[in-house]
Amino acid sequence: KNQVEQSPQSLIILEGKNCTLQCNYTVSPFSNLRWYKQDTGRGPVSLTIMTFSENTKSNGRYTATLDADTKQSSLHITASQLSDSASYICVVSVDGRGDMRFGAGTRLTVKP
Amino acid sequence: GAVVSQHPSRVICKSGTSVKIECRSLDFQATTMFWYRQFPKKSLMLMATSNEGSKATYEQGVEKDKFLINHASLTLSTLTVTSAHPEDSSFYICSARDGGRAPQEQYFGPGTRLTVT
Repeated sequence: KNQVEQSPQSLIILEGKNCTLQCNYTVSPFSNLRWYKQDTGRGPVSLTIMTFSENTKSNGRYTATLDADTKQSSLHITASQLSDSASYICVVSVDGRGDMRFGAGTRLTVKP
Repeated sequence: GAVVSQHPSRVICKSGTSVKIECRSLDFQATTMFWYRQFPKKSLMLMATSNEGSKATYEQGVEKDKFLINHASLTLSTLTVTSAHPEDSSFYICSARDGGRAPQEQYFGPGTRLTVT
């Protein structure tokens, strides 16, 4: 069973709309949680990284939240643009080992 | 921001030949580099962890004699797919960990699309 579960698996929204992607994890002990954006045929690009003590972090139109108690994170995208169409991957690192656990990703499509 | 490059970005080779993929960290020293494989619409699968100056650690099910990894310097790791077969066709991505930052940031390369005919 994957230790990092993302939902939804895919999402289609209209340009200009907001959306929220979810990530639930069971990884323990927890070190940090990252959100990456991966364009088709490209490597992942880091959006945010949060440690245990952080519960929100923004990067432009991207805002990530973290609830370490419930082991949930979300990525909120505001005023979506066509270029936001990509896969968004949640990655949780295991404390002390540096191992990273990857979610399967959410494929976002923004339509005009 | 830190940059990780991969070369080549695309390669087509014939079955039975070997292919080398390079991964470089361009503005930081990476004591640890990682090699991933990604199938269409799937997430990244870790193949091996490459430590500078020592042997790579391979994930279960990954053949070390087929996927040769060399991490000869703090900025370069190479993955050689030996005697490639069509089932080795995939998207290979490397990443490098910047040990100088806290929490340790990990940067991904742009990937290499390997097609074995």
